[in-house]
Amino acid sequence: GDSVTQMEGPVTLSEEAFLTINCTYTATGYPSLFWYVQYPGEGLQLLLKATKADDKGSNKGFEATYRKETTSFHLEKGSVQVSDSAVYFCALSERGAQKLVFGQGTRLTINP
Amino acid sequence: DAGVTQSPTHLIKTRGQQVTLRCSPKSGHDTVSWYQQALGQGPQFIFQYYEEEERQRGNFPDRFSGHQFPNYSSELNVNALLLGDSALYLCASSLVLTEYNEQFFGPGTRLTVL
Repeated sequence: GDSVTQMEGPVTLSEEAFLTINCTYTATGYPSLFWYVQYPGEGLQLLLKATKADDKGSNKGFEATYRKETTSFHLEKGSVQVSDSAVYFCALSERGAQKLVFGQGTRLTINP
Repeated sequence: DAGVTQSPTHLIKTRGQQVTLRCSPKSGHDTVSWYQQALGQGPQFIFQYYEEEERQRGNFPDRFSGHQFPNYSSELNVNALLLGDSALYLCASSLVLTEYNEQFFGPGTRLTVL
C-alpha cells in the first residue's frame, strides 16, 4: 500500500539557519504530494502542494519539489524563524482516492 | 468565511462508553473525512462521507461509524471505547470535484479514555 516516510525528529535549529526535512513516498500511481504544518494545540494547515512530477510547491518561504525519479518531496526553507516551530507532516493522495496518507511527522524547534 | 469547525474541543470518557464527535465543513465544501491522530503520530484515515454515504474506509473496526447530514455536516461515533481510542480526532473537508483532494482540517477533538 501507499506510504510516506519522513526524516526522524526532533530537529532543532537556530534562527536564520537553512532547513531541510526529508520525505520519501511509495505509491502505485501518480499521487499528489502535500506538506501540512501543525502548530501547538491546533489542527493541520496545508503549507504547500505539488500535483505532478517536477512541480515546485511554495508558500511562506518554504519550498518542495516533486521528484518522481527519487520518489521524494523534501521540504526546504532558506532562513527559518522562531515562528516556524511546529510539527511538519508530509502526505500523499492518489488521484481519485479519498484519503490522505501521512508520514509520522517531524517536530521542528527554532531557537532565537 | 468560516473554516472547518469541530465540537467538542475536549472530551473525557471511560472504557466501554460511547462518544459522538461533530464537524461542520468549510463553506462550499461537500465532503467530510475523519482522521485519528495518536500522540506523536501522523493522522490515520478513518472514513470519508459524500452525499450522506461512506465513500471509503480506512483500517478501523466497525465500532467506528459515521453520518453525514443534508447540510454536509458530519458525526463520528465510537462505541465500546478502549483506552487505545484516546487520540486527537480531526475532521477535514473538501470539494468532491477537486481533482487533487486538497483537504482543509479543523482544530480537532481531543478524546481521553480512562
